[in-house]
This record gives sequence, C-alpha cells and structure tokens, in this order.
Amino acid sequence: EPEVTQTPSHQVTQMGQEVILRCVPISNHLYFYWYRQILGQKVEFLVSFYNNEISEKSEIFDDQFSVERPDGSNFTLKIRSTKLEDSAMYFCASREARYEQYFGPGTRLTVT
Amino acid sequence: AQSVTQPDIHITVSEGASLELRCNYSYGATPYLFWYVQSPGQGLQLLLKYFSGDTLVQGIKGFEAEFKRSQSSFNLRKPSVHWSDAAEYFCAVGADSSASKIIFGSGTRLSIRP
Repeated sequence: EPEVTQTPSHQVTQMGQEVILRCVPISNHLYFYWYRQILGQKVEFLVSFYNNEISEKSEIFDDQFSVERPDGSNFTLKIRSTKLEDSAMYFCASREARYEQYFGPGTRLTVT
Repeated sequence: AQSVTQPDIHITVSEGASLELRCNYSYGATPYLFWYVQSPGQGLQLLLKYFSGDTLVQGIKGFEAEFKRSQSSFNLRKPSVHWSDAAEYFCAVGADSSASKIIFGSGTRLSIRP
C-alpha cells in the first residue's frame, strides 16, 4: 500500500539554524500539507499546497517558513531561522482530489 | 469557523469493556469527519471517515463511529477494547473543498486497565 514518507525521523538543530524537512507524498496525490504537533498538544495545520502554490496557510506559517515541491516527488518544509518554540513533530500529508489525507510518520524537530 | 471538541482528556477502561469517545464539531456545512489514532511517538493512522451516506461508519481495528447531525457529534465506539488500543485518539473535521485543511480536536488519551 502506498504511503507518505518523511525524512529525517529526528532532527536536532541549534536555534537560528535553517532546517529542511522532507516528505515524499503518495505519487498520484495532488494536494499536500504540513501540520505540526507540539509535545502533548493537538495537531495544528500549517500550510496546504496545490498546483505548485500555497492554497492556504495558518497564522503559524510566518515568513520563517516556506514550502517547495522541487522535483515533482519531494515536498519540503523549510524553517529559515529556528526558534526554541519550533520544537515539535512535523507531519506531512497528501490527498487525492476528494478523499482523506494520508499522513506520514512525522519528523521530530528539536531546537536547542 | 471549524472546530472540534473532545471533552474527555483521558479515559481508562478495562480490557474487554466497551468504549465510547466523544467528539463534537462545529461547521456550517456538511463536514468530512475523521478519527485518527496515534500511538506514543508514532504518526497518525486513520481509523475511519465519514463523507456522506450511512451515518454509521465502520473502520479498522473493530472501531465504528456514528454521525449525528442534530447533535453535531461523531462519537467513536468499540464493543470490546484490547490492551493494544491504548493510544491517543483524535477526532478531526475537514471541509468539502479540494485543498481543505483538517482541524483536529485536542485528543483523548485512552488507557487500558488489565
């Protein structure tokens, strides 16, 4: 069964550094998403992406964040200058036109 | 605005007992409703979904949920829980539009008493 994959599974970085989280969505899916989950809290929407552009973004998704689909298979989330409060589990998801979102296993980001 | 409320933060049930996890949503139109399960340190696994049609939906692992429009609820049930069901359960709502995000509830942590 096809699945969403994410790398790395755990990323440790220092405050102020740039990080790129990578996702490979399911191949025939058209819509892509990033969510995050701060430890012990609920899952929060960050951004949706379709047809090579952002469809919607939350207030969390400020200028420090960017997304890209560089090569037709990968979908990346970049945080330009990480802050301590960016520490969270980041989930990628993808979706066909009218069906449920499939989530990847997540990348745990730890900012020290 | 869409929102999801899971009023129970933590529930403990005995193995073999029945389970019901509550979920209420707020959405102006017909919602897409989901239940996801998350084991510690793991990702989100879809248990079941409601898009339209029969309001009682069956999912994986013996779970079911019933959509009640009049009560704006989508409660998750299982007739007999197993120790392996211990996890965090998230109810979620999405809109009927192509790029729509999913809004998650705050989750209910399920513990199983041996």
